[in-house]
Order: sequence, then structure tokens, then C-alpha cells
Amino acid sequence: AQTVTQSQPEMSVQEAETVTLSCTYDTSESNYYLFWYKQPPSRQMILVIRQEAYKQQNATENRFSVNFQKAAKSFSLKISDSQLGDTAMYFCAFSGDNYGQNFVFGPGTRLSVLP
Amino acid sequence: EADIYQTPRYLVIGTGKKITLECSQTMGHDKMYWYQQDPGMELHLIHYSYGVNSTEKGDLSSESTVSRIRTEHFPLTLESARPSHTSQYLCASSEDEGEWTEAFFGQGTRLTVV
Repeated sequence: AQTVTQSQPEMSVQEAETVTLSCTYDTSESNYYLFWYKQPPSRQMILVIRQEAYKQQNATENRFSVNFQKAAKSFSLKISDSQLGDTAMYFCAFSGDNYGQNFVFGPGTRLSVLP
Repeated sequence: EADIYQTPRYLVIGTGKKITLECSQTMGHDKMYWYQQDPGMELHLIHYSYGVNSTEKGDLSSESTVSRIRTEHFPLTLESARPSHTSQYLCASSEDEGEWTEAFFGQGTRLTVV
């Protein structure tokens, strides 16, 4: 069974600084998808960024980028130029490539961006 | 843009009442999910469906039930609400396997049982 671990329950960063959130996962599959979701306080969960395992190039979306290390089963999220609106819970998630597999979410990291 | 809707957004109800939380999506997704989440905590999968007339229990045991009579509709029912059911319930949907699969979430229903 797949597992997703986020070892940082809480983090804080000063506005305009850079922060990296960690995520590790365990799977025996060769192809799969990895995601970072953001859940602002009392607001909807939204997708931040996604990565397909067979693509070696790290995904980037504006200020958000990932460091995907397939051999180490590591998928960290880097937020550059942090903004107050980045304050949220961040969930790392895994999805296998086979039909019948559900998303597996990590326990989340609460990020606070300080003014 | 995600088109998945949950109603009500907030619900306060007395112990023993029967309630149904609604979830609808207009994206034609086969897969739908219900998660239970205490505020600021991790998500627990309680039910999922891979299509019409398909429902399965998730990783976390729940006293709720679900149905999937139509592709777009995946309601969750509690026959007799208890204070231990107080939580946030998130509905999500996703496409079948394929490129760029991702889960789309509703805004959630925050349930309080008094």
C-alpha cells in the first residue's frame, strides 16, 4: 500500500522569503502522479502543482516549484517570494497509474506566512 | 475551473436527526470521494465510487452511507447524527485513469451535531 509522509506539521516563513515543504512517499509502482494541494483557512482545497513520475523535469507553476527525486521517493515543494495569501494547509498526495487506485494524502503541513 | 458543489456549507443539527449532505459535479467524472476532516487536520477517506451503482467504504470506518444513482450526484447520509459526527466533510471527484488526473474538491460541509 502506498503511504505519504509529511514530516513538518507546522512551518512559518517571512513574507517575500522562500520556504520548502517536505514530502516522502512509498510505492512499488514505476509510474504515478504526485500533487501538492493547498487548503486556505475555511476555504476550498485547490491544486497547486502536479508531477508525473516518468517526467524527470521538475514541475513549476509561477512561484511554486517541486524537487522530485524519484529514487529517494521525495517530492518537496518550494514556494518563492512567499505572500500572505500562501498561508494555508498544504497536502502532498499520491495517485497510482492503475484503475482502482485512490488518492493517498499526507497528514499536511500548516504554513504561516508572517508579515 | 472546478465544478463541484456541496450543500449545505454549514449545518447545525440535533442528536438523532437524519441528515443528507449533497455533492454534485458537472464534469462528468466517474470517480467521486467523501473525506472527513477535522479542522486543520488530515483527510480521511470514508467513501468512494467509481461510477453509477458503485460504492465502497474507505479507509476510515464511518456510520454514514452513500449512494450513486447518477454520475453527477454522490450524497452522503447519516441516519442518526451524534456529536462524534461533528467534523468537516469534503467531497471530491476525478477523471478515470489517464494523463493529468487530479482530484477536484468541493467547498466542504461543516457539520456540528449538538
